[in-house]
Amino acid sequence: KNEVEQSPQNLTAQEGEFITINCSYSVGISALHWLQQHPGGGIVSLFMLSSGKKKHGRLIATINIQEKHSSLHITASHPRDSAVYICAVNTGNQFYFGTGTSLTVIP
Amino acid sequence: DTGVSQNPRHKITKRGQNVTFRCDPISEHNRLYWYRQTLGQGPEFLTYFQNEAQLEKSRLLSDRFSAERPKGSFSTLEIQRTEQGDSAMYLCASSPGLAATETQYFGPGTRLLVL
Repeated sequence: KNEVEQSPQNLTAQEGEFITINCSYSVGISALHWLQQHPGGGIVSLFMLSSGKKKHGRLIATINIQEKHSSLHITASHPRDSAVYICAVNTGNQFYFGTGTSLTVIP
Repeated sequence: DTGVSQNPRHKITKRGQNVTFRCDPISEHNRLYWYRQTLGQGPEFLTYFQNEAQLEKSRLLSDRFSAERPKGSFSTLEIQRTEQGDSAMYLCASSPGLAATETQYFGPGTRLLVL
């Protein structure tokens, strides 16, 4: 069993749709990260959360520590949001990654 | 300094050969991380340094793998006697200070193909 599970694995949306990607984890964490990976491999850190909610532009990330669950929301999705979104957790000395959610936004 | 850099970007080698990758973190970043990512999978943690000290190593890091950060700046990851299963993207990331919960900044990765 993976320490971090993401759903869905693949997601196709029409431009403008509201998108939710979910992440569940089974270990105690000090922080949770949402990462974006574009074709070609470059990874960008979107959010780091240890509690509550963060917002940056059209992106919103929430975390529920008690339920060991986090969500990444994209409002008014755009084709340039097409990428793989990866959830990662930090247990203090170890990092565990989900397998990613591949998002395609169709114009 | 525009970000984390990694060299080479691509490496093709024959099975059994040794390879070495280099990572240059953002200037004055204390923490440096190495990850491995195979096609279609999320990254896997390999090891990390705080300054020159290697503080944690994953069980994925077999004795064929060794990483160094001799002066607390750049780091090297060496794979000895490469195997086809070592083919992957090797990613490096750095973070500014001493807290494990800080945002990490990723390099572009080195893609290794072992024939």
